[in-house]
Amino acid sequence: AQSVTQPDIHITVSEGASLELRCNYSYGATPYLFWYVQSPGQGLQLLLKYFSGDTLVQGIKGFEAEFKRSQSSFNLRKPSVHWSDAAEYFCAVGAPEYGNKLVFGAGTILRVKS
Amino acid sequence: DVKVTQSSRYLVKRTGEKVFLECVQDMDHENMFWYRQDPGLGLRLIYFSYDVKMKEKGDIPEGYSVSREKKERFSLILESASTNQTSMYLCASKGRTYNSPLHFGNGTRLTVT
Repeated sequence: AQSVTQPDIHITVSEGASLELRCNYSYGATPYLFWYVQSPGQGLQLLLKYFSGDTLVQGIKGFEAEFKRSQSSFNLRKPSVHWSDAAEYFCAVGAPEYGNKLVFGAGTILRVKS
Repeated sequence: DVKVTQSSRYLVKRTGEKVFLECVQDMDHENMFWYRQDPGLGLRLIYFSYDVKMKEKGDIPEGYSVSREKKERFSLILESASTNQTSMYLCASKGRTYNSPLHFGNGTRLTVT
């Protein structure tokens, strides 16, 4: 079965600094990959998704992620973090043989200091 | 925009009570899901449904049941609430294709005392 690891439980960055959130997955072929963000008290909002093609995908709010097959990774990046980016971020993996189910990582809480 | 609405933001129930969590989506999605979210554990799938009256167990179905009588509505039922079911519950829906993203409601924070 596929699995997802987000190694960092908490990350703190300064406003204006760059950000990279790590995501590693376990799956034999190319999975479907997603990043979601959850602001306090809210549900999850889709930031971006990868299915195939260009390995660098652009999302909303200035985020991007790069699929690296050799490293089984799908790390999320942003060149300059804003205070409003403070939230919890979830990586998720799906695959055709698992139907419509997604497997989520445990999440990374991002704190932004001014 | 897809809208997934969970009927309650906060619920407080007593141990042993029967609890209903309701979820409605407005995009005619075939698939609906109930997740439970706990700190450090991420989202864990309780049950999902791929059609009216159809359901499948997720990873942690024990102590829960579900009902899907209409396409737009998916209910999560706690037959006899226990304190270890205190959690955030998230409903989601998605379209037919495998690579469709999930669309989430705002969650229901349930406290069982």
